[in-house]
Amino acid sequence: NAGVTQTPKFRVLKTGQSMTLLCAQDMNHEYMYWYRQDPGMGLRLIHYSVGEGTTAKGEVPDGYNVSRLKKQNFLLGLESAAPSQTSVYFCASTEGLIVGGGYEQYFGPGTRLTVT
Amino acid sequence: DQQVKQNSPSLSVQEGRISILNCDYTNSMFDYFLWYKKYPAEGPTFLISISSIKDKNEDGRFTVFLNKSAKHLSLHIVPSQPGDSAVYFCAAFDSGGSNYKLTFGKGTLLTVNP
Repeated sequence: NAGVTQTPKFRVLKTGQSMTLLCAQDMNHEYMYWYRQDPGMGLRLIHYSVGEGTTAKGEVPDGYNVSRLKKQNFLLGLESAAPSQTSVYFCASTEGLIVGGGYEQYFGPGTRLTVT
Repeated sequence: DQQVKQNSPSLSVQEGRISILNCDYTNSMFDYFLWYKKYPAEGPTFLISISSIKDKNEDGRFTVFLNKSAKHLSLHIVPSQPGDSAVYFCAAFDSGGSNYKLTFGKGTLLTVNP
């Protein structure tokens, strides 16, 4: 199993450009999440999905849109990139409560985005 | 309003000694807590967790302690090894919700010196 994969790994955008980050998971997880990590700020939730066809706002949703058309994929879009969106973006997924286990989220390797 | 706080941005310890990373939370609805470890240029990886019905959970060199009355948890690493050098995130969860969202602290950078 590949787990959680993210495409691309690196990207440089100019202000105003758009792009889509792709997250894919092969664990049949119901729940998926997009976070951004900035120095000294920890992991902040952008948007999340509790199942195919559903999306919801997290802590810092402004400037981003998401879609979950297939259970295994969760897309994060930036319609008009701004320098404040320079960050490392992580996707995560979870099955929810695992009998005998817990609520761990599994993370992808990250996408480093720079907006100039 | 930061619901999960890691007040030490960094910690430096000698190889072989104990590392203690601390985490405080304010939301009394949190009933499940996790620690994640993150190396540079990689995604966070799950390390250990604890349910609020316990006060201690051990996994090899890693032990998490939970003090519910103080809303405080700590991660102990004994003995510390240079490979443990990483950023450690504390996360909390309210199992009464339906979205399985985690709330993360800002992280503590642990450096283990040989």
